[in-house]
Amino acid sequence: QSVLTQPPSASGTPGQRVTISCSGSSSNIGSKYVYWYQQLPGTAPKLLIYMNNQRPSGVPDRFSGSKSGTSASLAISGLRSEDEADYYCAAWDDSLSGRLFGGGTKLTVL
Amino acid sequence: EVQLVESGGGLVKPGGSLRLSCAASGFTFTNAWMSWVRQAPGKGLEWVGRIKTKSDGGTTDYAAPVKGRFTISRDDSKNTLFLQMNSLKTEDTAMYYCTTDLVTAVTTVSYWGQGTLVTVSS
Repeated sequence: QSVLTQPPSASGTPGQRVTISCSGSSSNIGSKYVYWYQQLPGTAPKLLIYMNNQRPSGVPDRFSGSKSGTSASLAISGLRSEDEADYYCAAWDDSLSGRLFGGGTKLTVL
Repeated sequence: EVQLVESGGGLVKPGGSLRLSCAASGFTFTNAWMSWVRQAPGKGLEWVGRIKTKSDGGTTDYAAPVKGRFTISRDDSKNTLFLQMNSLKTEDTAMYYCTTDLVTAVTTVSYWGQGTLVTVSS
């Protein structure tokens, strides 16, 4: 069981805005940066958000990240069929001295 | 072009050992902290461990499930990262990815290899 908790699934229709939550604790999200990854079937993960809310070059501004206290969220606006993927949050944990990944959220575009 | 190419995966019996390699190119390997992440079939991502640069002490950190069994090392002269896996268990079956985050003044880019599959089974 992951220490970072994500909903196992989320869904939306094209054009909609969806959010995916990631809940942690003071030793990880509460004091460390949060990262978000997108993983398409059969491929390696791709970094979407770093340092809570920064987008790497090439990531559309439809993707945005936020953090408040010990929780973080990934928002996807203008949902597209190609956004259908698994999404993972990640953060360092000072208590474990290790990096944690959330359990992942499977996003379905209806 | 940055490339990370893993190799060394395969089928091994429980209790056995395997050494994975990750050949890096397209960036200054000596300046990069490197990590291993694994993904069991149909499951989520799991961080395995990391190694810092020699200038940052070359120290390693490991996830609890692999601590004491796995060892991460690097050969900067060959731009290669290693993962020595001993006392393998069936639950170590997974795709193993080599990864690094390259940080510049304006952005961070995360690079991942294509992965190498490790199957632990009798």
